[in-house]
Amino acid sequence: GIQVEQSPPDLILQEGANSTLRCNFSDSVNNLQWFHQNPWGQLINLFYIPSGTKQNGRLSATTVATERYSLLYISSSQTTDSGVYFCAVEPPGGYNKLIFGAGTRLAVHP
Amino acid sequence: DTGVSQDPRHKITKRGQNVTFRCDPISEHNRLYWYRQTLGQGPEFLTYFQNEAQLEKSRLLSDRFSAERPKGSFSTLEIQRTEQGDSAMYLCASSARDGAYEQYFGPGTRLTVT
Repeated sequence: GIQVEQSPPDLILQEGANSTLRCNFSDSVNNLQWFHQNPWGQLINLFYIPSGTKQNGRLSATTVATERYSLLYISSSQTTDSGVYFCAVEPPGGYNKLIFGAGTRLAVHP
Repeated sequence: DTGVSQDPRHKITKRGQNVTFRCDPISEHNRLYWYRQTLGQGPEFLTYFQNEAQLEKSRLLSDRFSAERPKGSFSTLEIQRTEQGDSAMYLCASSARDGAYEQYFGPGTRLTVT
């Protein structure tokens, strides 16, 4: 089955710093989503981005489907950005089920 | 739009007991998914419903697990004869009928089997 790899696995930032999270996937995908999991376990939708670039405030994402990767950019990080960031892909013919990466654990210190 | 809701939020049970979780999807979402997440891992797909039909089940879903979605509205996930290895967060998600199939997740049910 399709493999989803996220890097880095862990990231520590000072408040105000910028960061880039990467998601590589091993096969073509129908869709791709980025999530932020807060300390209470809630998965919060960040981007639905099968291709192209989107921006939402301090966050932006780019997916290059032909090269099988996606990037999540966080600018001017805040302590509330702490948590785990997941990339999830939908393989073709998979009834829209999502295959998740292992996540990037981000800690932002004041 | 109240979002996906799950009940209970936490469940502690003794090994061998049966447990049942409920998921209410976003209204008018016809697709519903169950995932399981263990500590330090990403969620893993368990099963998928389109309306009331269960269309796919992961091999993770042993014969002790059963899921239903009567009338295509809320869904229940039952685990019989729980084992300590069943301890995990159980997440429900839903997506709309048409267009993009962006999935929205509920807050999860955290199960602890003692």
